[in-house]
Amino acid sequence: GENVEQHPSTLSVQEGDSAVIKCTYSDSASNYFPWYKQELGKRPQLIIDIRSNVGEKKDQRIAVTLNKTAKHFSLHITETQPEDSAVYFCAASWGGGNKLTFGTGTQLKVEL
Amino acid sequence: KAGVTQTPRYLIKTRGQQVTLSCSPISGHRSVSWYQQTPGQGLQFLFEYFSETQRNKGNFPGRFSGRQFSNSRSEMNVSTLELGDSALYLCASSLGDSSTDTQYFGPGTRLTVL
Repeated sequence: GENVEQHPSTLSVQEGDSAVIKCTYSDSASNYFPWYKQELGKRPQLIIDIRSNVGEKKDQRIAVTLNKTAKHFSLHITETQPEDSAVYFCAASWGGGNKLTFGTGTQLKVEL
Repeated sequence: KAGVTQTPRYLIKTRGQQVTLSCSPISGHRSVSWYQQTPGQGLQFLFEYFSETQRNKGNFPGRFSGRQFSNSRSEMNVSTLELGDSALYLCASSLGDSSTDTQYFGPGTRLTVL
């Protein structure tokens, strides 16, 4: 099966700085890589995703890059704001159907 | 469109009991996946149902089972509950046509086993 590693486990940045979270995956057949944001007591919310035929995708302050050769993908948040504080999970979809293997999460704290 | 809903939101059970959780997907979505979230193990895939059939299964014991109805609503059942089954159980719905379909999560059911 798939294995997804995520780093760092915690990340503290100053408001306005950039934040980068990195993930690696093991199954070269994985073709879909979503990122979810989960605030305390809330459901995971999709913030951005990328499919294997694309190397980079951007949505306002959030971007994701994918390197299929190295089997890693990264989340970039620019101009961070206090409301960006949450746990972020990367995931990979492998095999047929809709099943995701998740990374262990990154607790992002944006300090004023 | 209404989002994914789950009932009940909270449950307290004792060891040995069984429990049934329900998930109603977004209208038009035919795939429902279930995940267990715990502080120690993170988010783990339980199983996926598509068109009333189990399409994928994670590495959980047979005490965990599920089903899907013709309207795509899904239930999962846990029998002979153990303390370690205490977790947030999340379901996610997607169109189900492709492995790259976006999955939308419900609010979860918080299960506490005493």
